[in-house]
Amino acid sequence: KNEVEQSPQNLTAQEGEFITINCSYSVGISALHWLQQHPGGGIVSLFMLSSGKKKHGRLIATINIQEKHSSLHITASHPRDSAVYICAVRSSGTGNQFYFGTGTSLTVIP
Amino acid sequence: KAGVTQTPRYLIKTRGQQVTLSCSPISGHRSVSWYQQTPGQGLQFLFEYFSETQRNKGNFPGRFSGRQFSNSRSEMNVSTLELGDSALYLCASSRDYRGDEQYFGPGTRLTVT
Repeated sequence: KNEVEQSPQNLTAQEGEFITINCSYSVGISALHWLQQHPGGGIVSLFMLSSGKKKHGRLIATINIQEKHSSLHITASHPRDSAVYICAVRSSGTGNQFYFGTGTSLTVIP
Repeated sequence: KAGVTQTPRYLIKTRGQQVTLSCSPISGHRSVSWYQQTPGQGLQFLFEYFSETQRNKGNFPGRFSGRQFSNSRSEMNVSTLELGDSALYLCASSRDYRGDEQYFGPGTRLTVT
């Protein structure tokens, strides 16, 4: 049983396209994180959300706590956005564990 | 401000040996978390330390242990290495363990032969 489900697993887009990655979770959470991982392993935290919506440049993240769902949007996609995007949640129950989605591999073609 | 550093970056060990990995957090950050990443299981949470105390723990066997020092630097140890322990081990630091943005280190690539 996966506490965090992401879709799609793989995504190929043309440069300039609007991209959406979805994340659903099954546990109570104190926060949800969107992470970006480039080839070679380095991980960068893009957003931390506990409610509502956040925007950073061309990236927008939203969360619906009642529906246990979050989306990451990339507007005007660019080849440098090609990476794996990972959704992670910190559970609010006993243990405060982190659970991770399996990631969405995004390729943006020029 | 210097980022999170991890040493060593690459390591090759033999099954049955033990290994210690080190993580130095961003200055001022008091929380350090450790993660294992494998192609099969993806990212998995190992444990989290704050002010030298383990605050949270994932579902890993007791062979995996860690500690945090007074300067917030952290080490994790894996004893009796198994082939399945081959992975990228990542640490991340944050100011507080109660829900704060995490800053990841570059990881230590461990290969067990």
